[in-house]
Amino acid sequence: ETGVTQTPRHLVMGMTNKKSLKCEQHLGHNAMYWYKQSAKKPLELMFVYNFKEQTENNSVPSRFSPECPNSSHLFLHLHTLQPEDSALYLCASSQDLRGGETQYFGPGTRLLVL
Amino acid sequence: GENVEQHPSTLSVQEGDSAVIKCTYSDSASNYFPWYKQELGKRPQLIIDIRSNVGEKKDQRIAVTLNKTAKHFSLHITETQPEDSAVYFCAASRGGGYQKVTFGIGTKLQVIP
Repeated sequence: ETGVTQTPRHLVMGMTNKKSLKCEQHLGHNAMYWYKQSAKKPLELMFVYNFKEQTENNSVPSRFSPECPNSSHLFLHLHTLQPEDSALYLCASSQDLRGGETQYFGPGTRLLVL
Repeated sequence: GENVEQHPSTLSVQEGDSAVIKCTYSDSASNYFPWYKQELGKRPQLIIDIRSNVGEKKDQRIAVTLNKTAKHFSLHITETQPEDSAVYFCAASRGGGYQKVTFGIGTKLQVIP
């Protein structure tokens, strides 16, 4: 599947590192999302972008910094993370934010913070 | 904000039996209810969805029912097969330019051959 791609697929980083996650969608969608998926917890919405503008920041710590240069690309910049930030980070996209639009997920980046 | 509760958290059924997963939501303004299936090591994928103007929707072996008054909706899988084994997530969201989707905790379904 190539609709929504994410790189890297796996990432191990120390607490003092800076790294970035990349998401790209080839579906012509206008809205993009970052989710955090931890074991035994619901999917947690982190950020929402619509037409490159951030419309939702779900009380995410500042050590996570999103960037959306255009409607096809979404980044998540990581800085001084904590071990509890280890999780699967999923990117998703949808046509727009009208509501009731299917979200298409990427394969995720499995992040381990040591 | 919206709160979605899902149960059971795990479910084991014999191949050929039916499986039912139930969700409740708190926001009466929610009007879109998708269900996602996530196989081990793979991305969540939409399998069926229902909107508030419909009480039931069916797609082959999968059906979803919605009770707006009671604020609950359910996923029904009939004639289960081993490939149905996965984690299933329910979700709820509003329409009208607001697209915050709230997910349930997930149900791990195991179909025993």
